[in-house]
This record gives sequence, structure tokens and C-alpha cells, in this order.
Amino acid sequence: SQKIEQNSEALNIQEGKTATLTCNYTNYSPAYLQWYRQDPGRGPVFLLLIRENEKEKRKERLKVTFDTTLKQSLFHITASQPADSATYLCALPGWGSSNTGKLIFGQGTTLQVKP
Amino acid sequence: SQTIHQWPATLVQPVGSPLSLECTVEGTSNPNLYWYRQAAGRGLQLLFYSVGIGQISSEVPQNLSASRPQDRQFILSSKKLLLSDSGFYLCAWALANNEQFFGPGTRLTVL
Repeated sequence: SQKIEQNSEALNIQEGKTATLTCNYTNYSPAYLQWYRQDPGRGPVFLLLIRENEKEKRKERLKVTFDTTLKQSLFHITASQPADSATYLCALPGWGSSNTGKLIFGQGTTLQVKP
Repeated sequence: SQTIHQWPATLVQPVGSPLSLECTVEGTSNPNLYWYRQAAGRGLQLLFYSVGIGQISSEVPQNLSASRPQDRQFILSSKKLLLSDSGFYLCAWALANNEQFFGPGTRLTVL
């Protein structure tokens, strides 16, 4: 079955540095991958979607890469700020998703940016 | 613009009692709708999804059921709650294979 792995250990970095989060998947060749941000007690908020034919995508200080050979996506936040502290989730389309859009989420990685 | 509502925001229920959580979407038509549960410190688990009125797909066999009586209304129910039903319930909508938009969630505690 599909398996998505994100580093369960929290990532602590200093303000201004680049944060890099990893999402690995197995038994699967997804057509796209999505990243979400979740703050405590809130629903996830969509950040970026990258398709299998795209190597890299950027949005402001965010950058996502998608390596279908390694079965891995990297999520970068440059010039990180304390306000970037949150849990970041990667998500892949579920088996048989067709046009249902159903997603399978990773466990998420918590990022803590210290001033 | 589109908005998604969930209620109630918090709920404390005794074991064995029924449950009804409601989700409504405004500003879009024929969305795909989803129910997720997030246990404390855990990831999102997809419970049900729907691609149209009356069409419900279950992802995980359990003590819950879902219904979609109207295009933009999605209801999560249970006849008898279990302790293990406690968690953070999230409703989301999407158009086909695009990003999902989540509601504010319902925090359910079963005692």
C-alpha cells in the first residue's frame, strides 16, 4: 500500500536560516504532490502543488522539489521567520483517486523557528 | 469567494451517545467533499469522501457514517460513540484534483 514518510522529529532552526523538510513515499507513482501548513487547533492550509513533470516550484519564500526517481519531495523555506513555525504536511493522491481528488497525508513535520 | 463552515466547534459527548457534525460550503458548485479525523499528535486520516449528492465513499470501516443530502452539505454521524472516536474532525472541499480547502474543525471529546 501507499506509504508517506515525513520526519516526525521537530525541526528547530534559527531565524533567517533555510528550513528544509522531507517527504518520502513508496509503492507509488503520484501524478502530483501537495504541501500544507497546519497551525495548532486549525485546519491545514494549502501551500503548493507540484506535478510529476515539474522538478521545482516556487512561491515567495517557499520552494518545492519533486524527484520521482528518488520518490522524494523537499520543501524549503528561505529566510525563515518565527511566524513560519507550524506543522507542515505533504499529501499525495490516494489510490484510485481519479477525479475524486482524495489525498493521503503524511504525519507532518513540526518546524520551530527561533528568533 | 468560497467559505466552508463546520459546527459545532467543540463537543463533549458520553460514550454510547449519537453524533451529528455538519459541514457546509458556500461560493462553489458540485465540489468534492471530505471528512478527516486527526487524533492527538497524529496525522490526518481520511474517513469519507463524496463526489456528488448521495454519493459517499468510505475509506476506513468504523463506527461512523456520512451523508450528503445537498450539493454543499456534508454530514458525519454516529449512532453510538466510542472512546476511540475522540479527535479533531475536519471537513474539506476541492474541485477535482486540486488543492483542498479545510474548515475550522470540530474538537470531539468522548467521555
